[in-house]
Formats: sequence, structure tokens, C-alpha cells
Amino acid sequence: DGGITQSPKYLFRKEGQNVTLSCEQNLNHDAMYWYRQDPGQGLRLIYYSQIVNDFQKGDIAEGYSVSREKKESFPLTVTSAQKNPTAFYLCASKETGVSAGELFFGEGSRLTVL
Amino acid sequence: ELKVEQNPLFLSMQEGKNYTIYCNYSTTSDRLYWYRQDPGKSLESLFVLLSNGAVKQEGRLMASLDTKARLSTLHITAAVHDLSATYFCAGRYRDDKIIFGKGTRLHILP
Repeated sequence: DGGITQSPKYLFRKEGQNVTLSCEQNLNHDAMYWYRQDPGQGLRLIYYSQIVNDFQKGDIAEGYSVSREKKESFPLTVTSAQKNPTAFYLCASKETGVSAGELFFGEGSRLTVL
Repeated sequence: ELKVEQNPLFLSMQEGKNYTIYCNYSTTSDRLYWYRQDPGKSLESLFVLLSNGAVKQEGRLMASLDTKARLSTLHITAAVHDLSATYFCAGRYRDDKIIFGKGTRLHILP
């Protein structure tokens, strides 16, 4: 079945540690996205990528890093520079071009900093 | 930059009633999306609206788009408890940057 897989689903981290969240898709989509959601809040864009080996900062990129070495993978690293990393992280993908439709989302990764 | 504002942010309504959620956006956007999120879950796509005057309907939900007014609406007809969820709208900006509103938390009372 085609879809987006995020792992881990739950993650605990001590302050000062970097952590990497995995996002893999087998939908053959060119574009991939990372969003952060805080309780009772909307989704805020962290990074997005329209094509392999290229990505753009979103509205809250500080303290995060990404890579896009393969079309199907877009991992997000939450660095120790991110001051308040506890949140629900959502990865999404979509087709590009004039016929492009909606974003498809993974199940999310819930990060808690202890 | 594209900004997306939804209102209301919270809505409590009785079953059987009709209501509308509004989504205003600040600059030109060629796609307007509506999503649903249940508590603790991910987002599920409801509608994609592509052009001025577009109207889409699925069950008790109907979405419309007015690009001149930079306004999309999500209308709920004869609400039922199963529609209780948070609803998000989002717009597509240049370079495929997709920006979401803060969401409308809908609570339908029996």
C-alpha cells in the first residue's frame, strides 16, 4: 500500500541532545514537507523540498535541519539549538506541477523533551 | 507572504444545525485545501479547490472558494456528532509553500 511512514511514533529526548525523525514515502511524490503542531495550535511549516538535493526553509526553521538525498526520504533533525522542541511533528508529501493535488500526511511523531 | 486566518477558532453547536467556517487568506493562492484532524491523529484531506467559484460537496460538508474576496468557506449541514473534529484550511503560495490556518475546533453536542 502506498503511503507515508514516520518513525518513531513517540520519542523522548534529554535536553541538549539532537534527534532525527524519519519520513519515508512510496507515493513517488516529488515534494515533501515537515510541519510542527503544538497543542491547540495549527500547523507551522519547518522545511519543505520540491526535488531531490534541494529544500527551502519554512516559517520556523531555526533549530532544525533536513536533507533530501533520495526522492522517497526526508529526515528531520531537531538540534539542541531548538529551544522548545516538545511537539507533534507531521511529515507530508504531494505531487508537483499544474495537476498537483493535496498533501498526504504521515501518522506523526510525538517528541517530548525531558 | 501568505497568511491564512480561520474563524471561528472554536465552535460548539447542536446536532441538526447548520454552520459555516470561514477561511481568509492574505495574498494570491492558486489552491485552497481543507483538512480534518481527529484528536491525537494526523490530517485527512477533505477538499482541494482550484478556481474561483469552485464548490465541492461530500456528505454534510460543502466547501467553496471566492478568489476575488480571498475567502473560502466550509459549510456544515445538519451537523451530526461524528463531524466533531478540528478543521484546517491551507493555501498554496509560490514554490509550493503550503501554509495552514490555526484550525477550527468543532464540537457537536447531541
